[in-house]
Amino acid sequence: IQMTQSPSFVSASVGDRVTITCRASQDISSWLAWFQQKPGKTPNLLIYGASSLQNGVPSRFSGSGSGTDFTLTISSLQPEDFATYYCQQANNFPLTFGQGTKVEIK
Amino acid sequence: EVQLLESGGGLVQPGGSLRLSCAASGFTFGNYAMTWVRQAPGKGLEWVSSISGSGGATYYADSVKGRFTLSRDNSKNTLSLQMNSLRVEDTAVYHCARGYCDSSSCYTGYFDNWGQGTLVTVSS
Repeated sequence: IQMTQSPSFVSASVGDRVTITCRASQDISSWLAWFQQKPGKTPNLLIYGASSLQNGVPSRFSGSGSGTDFTLTISSLQPEDFATYYCQQANNFPLTFGQGTKVEIK
Repeated sequence: EVQLLESGGGLVQPGGSLRLSCAASGFTFGNYAMTWVRQAPGKGLEWVSSISGSGGATYYADSVKGRFTLSRDNSKNTLSLQMNSLRVEDTAVYHCARGYCDSSSCYTGYFDNWGQGTLVTVSS
């Protein structure tokens, strides 16, 4: 299953609402995760099951979608949110990641 | 505190072999699926292989199938990845990661805690 994220790059300001899209090449139901990765750090699981927030993740992060189209939304971008975001399907093996979306400061 | 510590990386020639290990602590190892994910320098994430908590089920990316073997020793809290017939394109930082469990279920396909990784460089 191929995962395609858009856009690949986002330039945004603190306080902006940011939306990242992930499209699966076939139906994956709600078997989707979102990760955040900061430079030099390991990825951090933000959302699983397309919309379930992992413990400790701020509520400004939300996920939606099912089937083939999914969205990660950051409602009000904070300085610590500038990072690269990856979607990943967990519907079946082989597991696959999107190519990543880099969120940078405008 | 959950800790995952990878070791075994290094420089190897194409066609060579390496064995990566991941030492786990801070949780009941055998209750969790485990996974290896790699990241080539400056590139994105690539899933490599996963194994169930009991070790009875293993899964591999097409790019490594037949060359890599994943195993675990629950008595020693250790995950191992035997990598044979290494290729230049296997060059990456290899991370082990723990399968995610919420209040109701444990998932092989989601991962929460990640180790810092071990660098594998395949070059002549």
